[in-house]
Order: sequence, then C-alpha cells, then structure tokens
Amino acid sequence: GQNIDQPTEMTATEGAIVQINCTYQTSGFNGLFWYQQHAGEAPTFLSYNVLDGLEEKGRFSSFLSRSKGYSYLLLKELQMKDSASYLCAVMDSNYQLIWGAGTKLIIKP
Amino acid sequence: GAVVSQHPSWVICKSGTSVKIECRSLDFQATTMFWYRQFPKKSLMLMATSNEGSKATYEQGVEKDKFLINHASLTLSTLTVTSAHPEDSSFYICSAKEVTDGGRETQYFGPGTRLLVL
Repeated sequence: GQNIDQPTEMTATEGAIVQINCTYQTSGFNGLFWYQQHAGEAPTFLSYNVLDGLEEKGRFSSFLSRSKGYSYLLLKELQMKDSASYLCAVMDSNYQLIWGAGTKLIIKP
Repeated sequence: GAVVSQHPSWVICKSGTSVKIECRSLDFQATTMFWYRQFPKKSLMLMATSNEGSKATYEQGVEKDKFLINHASLTLSTLTVTSAHPEDSSFYICSAKEVTDGGRETQYFGPGTRLLVL
C-alpha cells in the first residue's frame, strides 16, 4: 500500500531550528509537497520538490532524497506564528496526492 | 488512520457538461468537509465548506450556482461543476474533519480529482 509517515507532534523553542521529517512509500513519484496549516484555515503551500536536494526559501528549506523515500522541512529562526500543522504530501504515478497525517508543531517562548 | 477517498480520480469532459465529484470519509463520520482547488503554483484555494444537512458555505469569489455542493450524509459530500468550461480544468481536493470523543479535530485530505474540460 501507499503511505506517508511524519511525526504527530513536535515542540521547539522560539528562535531555534526544527526539522520535520517525512518518509514515503508510493507507487511512483511526481513530486513532494509541504503545506502549513493553521487551525481553522486552509493549507498554505510551502514547497514542492521533484528533484533530489535542498531547496531554500527564506526561513524554510525542504530536502528530498528519492532513493530513500525521504524528505524534511527545516524551519529556522522559529517564530511563535510558526505554530501550526505541517502536511507532507506525495503525488504518485497517477498524479494522485497521498497525504501524511500532519505534524503539529508547538513553539514555546 | 482515517482515509478519505475521491471519485473519480480523473475526468475529461466536453465544455458545457456537468461533472460530479464524490468525497467520502471511509472509516469515520465527518459533519464538515472542505473543497479545495489546486492552482498551477501548487497553492490550495478553499472553495467551500460543506456541512452535513445544511447549505455549504462558499468563499468569496466562488460561484455557488456553478459549484454545487451537497453533503447528504456524514460520510459523503459531492461537488458538481455545472456547465464546465476549460477554465474550470483543475485539480480538486476534498478534506474531511474528524472530531474525536475527546474533542480533538483532525483534517484528512483526499487524493484529488483531476478535471480536464475540452
């Protein structure tokens, strides 16, 4: 079957760095997405990786290793507003999105 | 974990026809489901919130007469794109909200439906 695994919850301190991991097993691969979702709001697109390597976008970076079925989202200089759920989703060979359950990130002062 | 399915996965239709997309929560009851549209730059736009037994709540700019939503049961919501046009071609994603006995809310997303209007 297809599945996406990511931690259920993580806690980090304001100003620090946190890495949220995502591992996947899917039938084919057409890219991996990271979304941020605040409670009661629609997900916000953060990144899309289809090739191996690190992509940096401001305080957020996303890494992909297709051979290992692994990605991470790196958040630097954490701010209180970064408290949210972070969703990892993979597009399979049929261009269907397989979603992880999301990682709830709690930022403490 | 909870699973949300969508049917069909792909649909190609002629301009002017109507297309119905189903969203089902497979192992939990969802009083609230959401419909999103994914744009080419990967952002998700919330179209409407579907509430079981009542009318859907549409976001600003979304035509309710064009995108008909019916949440007839606690496990099924449907989105009907009426008189579809090429500009309606998109990737439509639904999600369902599960509320546990303890009051914890979790949103589960479906795999999406790719619509191509010729």
